[in-house]
Amino acid sequence: GQNIDQPTEMTATEGAIVQINCTYQTSGFNGLFWYQQHAGEAPTFLSYNVLDGLEEKGRFSSFLSRSKGYSYLLLKELQMKDSASYLCAVRLSGGYQKVTFGTGTKLQVIP
Amino acid sequence: NAGVTQTPKFRILKIGQSMTLQCTQDMNHNYMYWYRQDPGMGLKLIYYSVGAGITDKGEVPNGYNVSRSTTEDFPLRLELAAPSQTSVYFCASISTGDAYSNQPQHFGDGTRLSIL
Repeated sequence: GQNIDQPTEMTATEGAIVQINCTYQTSGFNGLFWYQQHAGEAPTFLSYNVLDGLEEKGRFSSFLSRSKGYSYLLLKELQMKDSASYLCAVRLSGGYQKVTFGTGTKLQVIP
Repeated sequence: NAGVTQTPKFRILKIGQSMTLQCTQDMNHNYMYWYRQDPGMGLKLIYYSVGAGITDKGEVPNGYNVSRSTTEDFPLRLELAAPSQTSVYFCASISTGDAYSNQPQHFGDGTRLSIL
């Protein structure tokens, strides 16, 4: 089976930096996605990692270590609008490129 | 370009009723997926399709059926609605080439289904 673990909830202060961790154990690996999901909305794509290392996109960065089955999403200069759930998702290797999602981390940004 | 369109947006069903959730995409994507998302949880794959006439079960297919008669449409059918099927349902699609790249799936806005 597939297993993706993320913290359930996190709280951080506006203007600060927060790191959301994700560990995975899957039968095959062909990339890891991070999505943002505001309440009542569809997931929105944030980042993709397939090779080890850090990918930076403005205030958001994502890191991957395939040997450790570990990724994190780093959010800098937090804004109130960053309050949302953050989903870690692994694309499985093999046919049809199915994606398995973690349960998500609900981030609350406080003033 | 409408992307992935899901209808209806909201629906309340009684136990034992049936209904079809519609999903259509105008991007000529071969791969389409149905997910359900329970409160506070991630997305779980119900069924997927890699082209017209080809469908397969995902992680949680029990209680659902799908068909794929055209590239554009991928409806999800609930035959005998049960309270455990109360959830938000998302449809997604991606092109065959993008499925192997750094591109994410395209999601519809979701259908919120309550079964009472």
